[in-house]
Amino acid sequence: TQLLEQSPQFLSIQEGENLTVYCNSSSVFSSLQWYRQEPGEGPVLLVTVVTGGEVKKLKRLTFQFGDARKDSSLHITAAQPGDTGLYLCAGGAGTASKLTFGTGTRLQVTL
Amino acid sequence: DTEVTQTPKHLVMGMTNKKSLKCEQHMGHRAMYWYKQKAKKPPELMFVYSYEKLSINESVPSRFSPECPNSSLLNLHLHALQPEDSALYLCASSQSDYSYEQYFGPGTRLTVT
Repeated sequence: TQLLEQSPQFLSIQEGENLTVYCNSSSVFSSLQWYRQEPGEGPVLLVTVVTGGEVKKLKRLTFQFGDARKDSSLHITAAQPGDTGLYLCAGGAGTASKLTFGTGTRLQVTL
Repeated sequence: DTEVTQTPKHLVMGMTNKKSLKCEQHMGHRAMYWYKQKAKKPPELMFVYSYEKLSINESVPSRFSPECPNSSLLNLHLHALQPEDSALYLCASSQSDYSYEQYFGPGTRLTVT
């Protein structure tokens, strides 16, 4: 059974601070997605990484896929209240239609 | 356009009711999914349709019945649900069942009384 553990589970920070969320597994994934979900809404796809060591940037968000494709990180620079939400990583391997979702990191950014 | 729409947004039903959830996408995607999400948990896969055929059923109880009338539409028929079935039901789509990128709809918040 593939598992994706995210840390931290919950993060409360002030506007302007930097943070990093980790997504770790003992399994190798062909690709890894990051989603952000706001309360009562569906997850929104932020990025897909597929190559070991790959780094992608989306404005203030930086995503990295581990060299061995077993882990990933999401770094947010100068967090804003609009970054508040549940961050989910999701890994794909084998049967593409069956994603393994991470345990989730709940981020709260206050003024 | 990466929009998946779901109706209704909220649904309250009794345990003897029959209701349906609807999902629509116009991205030309050929794989569609139903997920169930409980509070503070990640989504759990229920069903996968590929080219309008059911390809994965994650041992979901028969009180949930999926249907894919065409490549753009996905329904989930509900009958004789239990209170523990209350959750956010999410629809998603992807280009095919070989594609890892899934696009989610806003969900239907279901409450079973």
